[in-house]
Amino acid sequence: GAVVSQHPSWVICKSGTSVKIECRSLDFQATTMFWYRQFPKQSLMLMATSNEGSKATYEQGVEKDKFLINHASLTLSTLTVTSAHPEDSSFYICSASVSSGIRYTDTQYFGPGTRLTVL
Amino acid sequence: QKEVEQDPGPLSVPEGAIVSLNCTYSNSAFQYFMWYRQYSRKGPELLMYTYSSGNKEDGRFTAQVDKSSKYISLFIRDSQPSDSATYLCAMRGIQGAQKLVFGQGTRLTINP
Repeated sequence: GAVVSQHPSWVICKSGTSVKIECRSLDFQATTMFWYRQFPKQSLMLMATSNEGSKATYEQGVEKDKFLINHASLTLSTLTVTSAHPEDSSFYICSASVSSGIRYTDTQYFGPGTRLTVL
Repeated sequence: QKEVEQDPGPLSVPEGAIVSLNCTYSNSAFQYFMWYRQYSRKGPELLMYTYSSGNKEDGRFTAQVDKSSKYISLFIRDSQPSDSATYLCAMRGIQGAQKLVFGQGTRLTINP
């Protein structure tokens, strides 16, 4: 249980184009999804927290107009990197929070990640 | 000072050895502690989830939490080459959002 998928797993695009990454919770409903980026040999950096049906909350320093997040349903969140540039090349990982009914025990399950390369 | 400190390694040990991975933290509001394993170019996989101080065992893995010292550990017994990965500690508090604070991750290699 608690499986999270991401699509695509790897994408290469030209500078200036937009890229959409999907994150799906396959066997549970996730009220909250998180988007991270990770540079080589570094830890995860939280970009934004997304709740179904409401606007995402972005971390300080993350451009909300560049990284558009949509959380349209309890099983799907999307991250769109708009006008991508080479410095946006990174490993993007989403996670979904499983609600156990007891809020304080919620935990995050991660997707397999999407490697974005901007040429 | 980072909220969570974790030695990035790399750590290399022979197969069968007991591995000890550690994190220290400064925020006493952290109440929930997790260990994730991340293979290269993959997403993190939840290994252990603990709340109270003490030990929690799951197979070859034991998670230890000492809230008084703000110190957590993950022990791997009978280590296998397949355990070679980066291990991330993560923690969060009770109040507010469910944001996790991660350690830097320790790169572990188990040599056959």
